[in-house]
Amino acid sequence: GDSVTQMEGPVTLSEEAFLTINCTYTATGYPSLFWYVQYPGEGLQLLLKATKADDKGSNKGFEATYRKETTSFHLEKGSVQVSDSAVYFCALSGNTPLVFGKGTRLSVIA
Amino acid sequence: DTAVSQTPKYLVTQMGNDKSIKCEQNLGHDTMYWYKQDSKKFLKIMFSYNNKELIINETVPNRFSPKSPDKAHLNLHINSLELGDSAVYFCASSQQLSQETQYFGPGTRLLVL
Repeated sequence: GDSVTQMEGPVTLSEEAFLTINCTYTATGYPSLFWYVQYPGEGLQLLLKATKADDKGSNKGFEATYRKETTSFHLEKGSVQVSDSAVYFCALSGNTPLVFGKGTRLSVIA
Repeated sequence: DTAVSQTPKYLVTQMGNDKSIKCEQNLGHDTMYWYKQDSKKFLKIMFSYNNKELIINETVPNRFSPKSPDKAHLNLHINSLELGDSAVYFCASSQQLSQETQYFGPGTRLLVL
């Protein structure tokens, strides 16, 4: 079945550092790919999405590119802020509802 | 305006009790979901309803019973609560069942003592 593997955390970075959170997937067909973010004490929010190969999703300085050849959708941000501290979930949706990765906790320190 | 709302936000109860969590969405979506998030933040889908019909019913104890009175509401009733039921329960909705963005509620934090 479909699955998502993302790097295990926690990830701790200093403010203004570069962020990469790796995500790879296994799916039949052509799924849509998502990154969701969960801030402390809140529900999940859509951060960005891409629906076909080579699409780049972007939002709030975060970017991820749908790479079909490497079955990846890595999340990047050039300069993180303390307010980016949260849990990040990679997810896919093919012919089924969302399949989530296990989440990566990011802590950004000033 | 809250897109997906859940009540209550917190629920503390004794083992063996029965409790319900309510969910409402005002997005006009056809599909609604219940997820369980454990203490390690792992998300597991429990149920999915499409147009009031049960579509997905993952391996969940039959103590958990979802009910969808209409497309905008999906409630979760839990009988005979156990310690292991302690978790955060999230409701979500999407326009269709697949390839769609899901919108999540704020969660209900259930603690069973």
